[in-house]
Amino acid sequence: EAGVAQSPRYKIIEKRQSVAFWCNPISGHATLYWYQQILGQGPKLLIQFQNNGVVDDSQLPKDRFSAERLKGVDSTLKIQPAKLEDSAVYLCASSYRLPDTQYFGPGTRLTVL
Amino acid sequence: SQQGEEDPQALSIQEGENATMNCSYKTSINNLQWYRQNSGRGLVHLILIRSNEREKHSGRLRVTLDTSKKSSSLLITASRAADTASYFCATDESGSARQLTFGSGTQLTVLP
Repeated sequence: EAGVAQSPRYKIIEKRQSVAFWCNPISGHATLYWYQQILGQGPKLLIQFQNNGVVDDSQLPKDRFSAERLKGVDSTLKIQPAKLEDSAVYLCASSYRLPDTQYFGPGTRLTVL
Repeated sequence: SQQGEEDPQALSIQEGENATMNCSYKTSINNLQWYRQNSGRGLVHLILIRSNEREKHSGRLRVTLDTSKKSSSLLITASRAADTASYFCATDESGSARQLTFGSGTQLTVLP
């Protein structure tokens, strides 16, 4: 079974630029999660989708972050404009259903200069 | 906010020794999960223990849960160099939107 795919793996941008991350979950997994992991900390949930609907986005900084999951499969997370404090690893995870075991992708390491 | 707090933050042991990590949390939970993260990689699920369970085993892993103390422990027996990683507990809180809240992790180093 193919795992969760994410791209790009690494991204370096200047502050105030925009960036987008892509995630393809495991086939058949209805629930998709985006996490932000700052160095030395545990993952923090940004947004959670069930199929293509948002379950929870209470910790998503909506003035600069947006996410969508079209057709209930792939998802994109966008930051516009980026700030220095957005430097982190962005992890995508999926699960068959709430609140099952989550399967994580390799993450995208974002550096904002 | 982070619900779980792991202890210790860092642990260094010799190969063959046992490693014990602890996790404390604040609210009632449905289940508690442990994940491993190798450097520069995503997280890998290790084990899930439900709130009505007290102990669970999986290979060299043993997890205990004490809901009265709101704490859990992860024991890795006969550790190997390949066990070097960060270990996170994650709680599925009762009454929540069924999401996981991760702790800050324990960095385990197993020396050959």
